Amino acid sequence: QKEVEQNSGPLSVPEGAIASLNCTYSDRGSQSFFWYRQYSGKSPELIMSIYSNGDKEDGRFTAQLNKASQYVSLLIRDSQPSDSATYLCAVLYNQGGKLIFGQGTELSVKP
Amino acid sequence: GAVVSQHPSRVICKSGTSVKIECRSLDFQATTMFWYRQFPKKSLMLMATSNEGSKATYEQGVEKDKFLINHASLTLSTLTVTSAHPEDSSFYICSARDLWTGSLGQPQHFGDGTRLSIL
Repeated sequence: QKEVEQNSGPLSVPEGAIASLNCTYSDRGSQSFFWYRQYSGKSPELIMSIYSNGDKEDGRFTAQLNKASQYVSLLIRDSQPSDSATYLCAVLYNQGGKLIFGQGTELSVKP
Repeated sequence: GAVVSQHPSRVICKSGTSVKIECRSLDFQATTMFWYRQFPKKSLMLMATSNEGSKATYEQGVEKDKFLINHASLTLSTLTVTSAHPEDSSFYICSARDLWTGSLGQPQHFGDGTRLSIL
């Protein structure tokens, strides 16, 4: 069973702080990892993809990947109230291009 | 960019009704589409993979006779919830795989979802 695990939260951080979201996955052969943001009642929106060990930065977002530990994380710097959403970690399984999602972490950024 | 249109956005109907949800890729051809279900405060659960011109592949525990999937063209997949009951009430989301943008880091493009409520 391929699994993706996240802390469900909720995670609450003050405005301007760094939010740290974590994810682990079970399939050691996985190569492609994604972070999606989902607002209530909406469909997921891709915010980051990462394929290689290390860090990948895009604006206020940094994704980190450690394949040896089977661990993916997302850092959000200078958190804003508009970042309040559920963040979903997803792993791509090359067989048929399926995405397997974690249960999501609810982030609340307090003004 | 690649756009996926899902229709209807919201359905309210009586128990026992069959409901059809459409998923269209508007500006690209999608040989593969996916159907997800999401309950409140829960993650997206993949229900099935829809392949153009062939039978859908269902995930374990998903009743294929309950959730009929048809992918008759490269731009349209449909999900029919047959004889729907209140426990089928959920948020259903489709996505489509564009092989071109998939190579650029966007594995699937999501529709806006359908909120299904069975009374």
